[in-house]
This record gives sequence, C-alpha cells and structure tokens, in this order.
Amino acid sequence: NAGVMQNPRHLVRRRGQEARLRCSPVKGHSHVYWYRQLPEEGLKFMVYLQKENIIDESGMPKERFSAEFPKEGPSILRIQQVVRGDSAAYFCASSPLGGDGEQYFGPGTRLTVT
Amino acid sequence: QQQVKQSPQSLIVQKGGISIINCAYENTAFDYFPWYQQFPGKGPALLIAIRPDVSEKKEGRFTISFNKSAKQFSLHIMDSQPGDSATYFCAATSSNTGKLIFGQGTTLQVKP
Repeated sequence: NAGVMQNPRHLVRRRGQEARLRCSPVKGHSHVYWYRQLPEEGLKFMVYLQKENIIDESGMPKERFSAEFPKEGPSILRIQQVVRGDSAAYFCASSPLGGDGEQYFGPGTRLTVT
Repeated sequence: QQQVKQSPQSLIVQKGGISIINCAYENTAFDYFPWYQQFPGKGPALLIAIRPDVSEKKEGRFTISFNKSAKQFSLHIMDSQPGDSATYFCAATSSNTGKLIFGQGTTLQVKP
C-alpha cells in the first residue's frame, strides 16, 4: 500500500517566484489536510479539502496562498510571490473519514526561499 | 482555547527507562487525541491515539493516559530504546472540524 506521496521533496525558490506543492493521498482517501512546520516549531493547520471542495481554510494566510483538490489528480498547495518567511516544511495528510478520523502524513516538501 | 500545551520541550532518558510526555488542552469540544512520532527529515507518523471515553490505552510499549476532568493526557514509553529517539507531538481535534491542533513537540533522546 502506497502511503501519502508528496513532491517535490525539496524546492528552492527565489523571492517573488511561485511554489507549487503536490500531494497524492492514500488510495481511497478523499480528505486532505495541509500543515506547515516552521523551523524549531510544531505543525500548524493550514487547510482541509475534500474532492473539489475547500472545507476549512482558517489556517491559510489571506494572501498568496491557495489550495485545491481536483476530482482527478493530486492536491496542490500554491504559494505565489514567495518570501523568505515562507521557508518551511509543508506536510500533507490524508484521511479516509475526515472529522476525527486518523490522519496519515506524507514525507513533506521542504521549501527554501532564497 | 485552541491551544495544546506540551511539556517538557526536551527529555533525556537512559535505555530501559520510562519516558513521560504531558499535554494539556482547554477546548472541551476536543474528542480525539493522537500522538505522532517524527524523525529528522521525515513526516510525522501516527503512534497511538485515544478518545475521551477511556482513561488509558496501551499499544506495546506505548501508553496514553487520559484525564478528562483535568483536560490532560500523557504518553508513556516503557523500556525506552535508542531507536525511540525522535520528536513527539501530541495533538487534539474535534469531530466537527478534523483539523489537528498540535503541541509544540518534545525532543526525546534515549541514551544507550
């Protein structure tokens, strides 16, 4: 069984560029969550999506960040006009049930903004 | 009210000893409390989880103790091994949101 897959694993962007992070959930899971982990900090919730729907985006910065989970294909977290403060590890988790169901994390994408 | 407070920040234990990590929460709507283990450069891995209808859950060397009235829960690692050296995160969520609220993490070092 393939777990949650994320790519790229490492991404370097210059200030002002766009970053696109991809997440393929566990097969059969229709609930996807994105979390951000800043250096030496815990994980912070960003957004919760089901297929074609954003359920909760209360943790997303108001500007430059967007997420989608299309009917076909992976979930995408998009960061426009990146700044140095966006440098972090971004983790995707998937769940078969949503709600208080178990969430399984991917290996993360480590974004470095130079 | 959404916070989960975790302590200690770091912990050093001798091989064979017991590692204890504590968490406290405020939101009484939380009804699912998982623990995650994270190795450097890796994603968090679900270790064990508990719901508030039980006071204790044990899986192998890992035990969660849950005190609903005190709004506290803890992870006990029995017979700690060097391979247990990692960062441990407690988390909480409620069934109507799904989003995990994480503690700040505890870096555990088990000395051989």
